[in-house]
Amino acid sequence: SQTIHQWPATLVQPVGSPLSLECTVEGTSNPNLYWYRQAAGRGLQLLFYSVGIGQISSEVPQNLSASRPQDRQFILSSKKLLLSDSGFYLCAWSRTGTSDTQYFGPGTRLTVL
Amino acid sequence: TQLLEQSPQFLSIQEGENLTVYCNSSSVFSSLQWYRQEPGEGPVLLVTVVTGGEVKKLKRLTFQFGDARKDSSLHITAAQPGDTGLYLCAGARVLGYSTLTFGKGTMLLVSP
Repeated sequence: SQTIHQWPATLVQPVGSPLSLECTVEGTSNPNLYWYRQAAGRGLQLLFYSVGIGQISSEVPQNLSASRPQDRQFILSSKKLLLSDSGFYLCAWSRTGTSDTQYFGPGTRLTVL
Repeated sequence: TQLLEQSPQFLSIQEGENLTVYCNSSSVFSSLQWYRQEPGEGPVLLVTVVTGGEVKKLKRLTFQFGDARKDSSLHITAAQPGDTGLYLCAGARVLGYSTLTFGKGTMLLVSP
C-alpha cells in the first residue's frame, strides 16, 4: 500500500528565516506530486506540482519554491519567510498520468512570527 | 473567480438528522472528488464520481454527480458526531492529467 509522509508536523519560524518542508511517498513509482496551502481551515490553494524528477510547475507567484530531487521526494522551500507564509501546508500524490484522485499527507502547520 | 462553490459554508446539526451539501459550478468537470478533513489533518478521499448522473453510496453517505457534470451533492443520513469535519469537493477539468480545483468547503458540526 502507498503512504505519504510530511515533516515536520509543526514549525514556528521568525520572519526572514529560511524554510524547508519535506514530503516523501512510499509504495508507488513516478507519482505526480503536489504542494498546497490551506488558510484558516478552508479551501486548498495549489502552489506547485511535479510530474517527474526535476519537473516543477508553479501555480502562483510567491515567496516559495519547490524541488523534486528524487522520484518520491518533494521539497518546499523559502529563502526568507514572510508573515503571510503562515498556514497549513499539504503534500499530495496521484498516480502517473492522472491528477483526479489525490491522496494527502498529514500536513505541516507553519507559523511565521 | 471561484470555479467550485460549496454550500452551505457551515452547518451545525444534531445527531440523527439528515443533511445535504452542495458543490456547484458553471464549468464542466471530467470527474469530481469529495474529501473529508478533520482539524489538523490532511483531507481524506471519500469518493470519485466520473459519469454524469452517477450515484455512489458509502454507508450513510450518498454522492451524486449532476447529469451535466457541473455539480455534485453529498447527502448524509442519520448524521453522527464522527461525521464532523470539513467536506471539500474538487474537480478535474480535463480527462487524464490536469490539476484539481477545490471548493472552499462545508464545515459540518454534528452534536450528540
